[in-house]
Amino acid sequence: AQSVTQLGSHVSVSEGALVLLRCNYSSSVPPYLFWYVQYPNQGLQLLLKYTSAATLVKGINGFEAEFKKSETSFHLTKPSAHMSDAAEYFCAVSGYGGNEKLTFGTGTRLTIIP
Amino acid sequence: DAGVTQSPTHLIKTRGQQVTLRCSPKSGHDTVSWYQQALGQGPQFIFQYYEEEERQRGNFPDRFSGHQFPNYSSELNVNALLLGDSALYLCASSSQRDYEKLFFGSGTQLSVL
Repeated sequence: AQSVTQLGSHVSVSEGALVLLRCNYSSSVPPYLFWYVQYPNQGLQLLLKYTSAATLVKGINGFEAEFKKSETSFHLTKPSAHMSDAAEYFCAVSGYGGNEKLTFGTGTRLTIIP
Repeated sequence: DAGVTQSPTHLIKTRGQQVTLRCSPKSGHDTVSWYQQALGQGPQFIFQYYEEEERQRGNFPDRFSGHQFPNYSSELNVNALLLGDSALYLCASSSQRDYEKLFFGSGTQLSVL
């Protein structure tokens, strides 16, 4: 069985400050890990994914995440927050291989303070 | 290029009724997955269709059923609606060549009264 835990249902940062959203995973097999963003009244958009290649993954909109097996973590960061980053962020895990279902965390709502 | 399209965008039903939600995948995609997102929660996997067959299924009762058509579009059917079925239903499509990359539609918001 696989699962992810997102620490902090709400995170607020000032515009221009570091964004750090936390995700820890549990998996009995080598995982694929993902971060998705959801804007109001929209579907989910893939930010980045880890599929057993480089442990530091760069995504869209300046986001990146680092896979740390020893800590079972896959935290999402962005050096400088922008007002447009305000959204709901979901971490997800799937099994190694093709076409596996995604198991999502409960999400973190990111608020940007002007 | 149109992405994943879902219809309707909003739907209101009463308990006990049946509902059908529709999804057209992104051009070039052959696999469709359905997710249920309750308010304040992350999406939960319902099932996945490929080559017109259900390939994987999540922990949902048989009241939830689906279908995939030869043009890869898909339907999600829910019978005997319960209040707890109120949620945003998301469709996601992918291709066998790039299976890790899911494209999501904007969803159908179902309210059961």
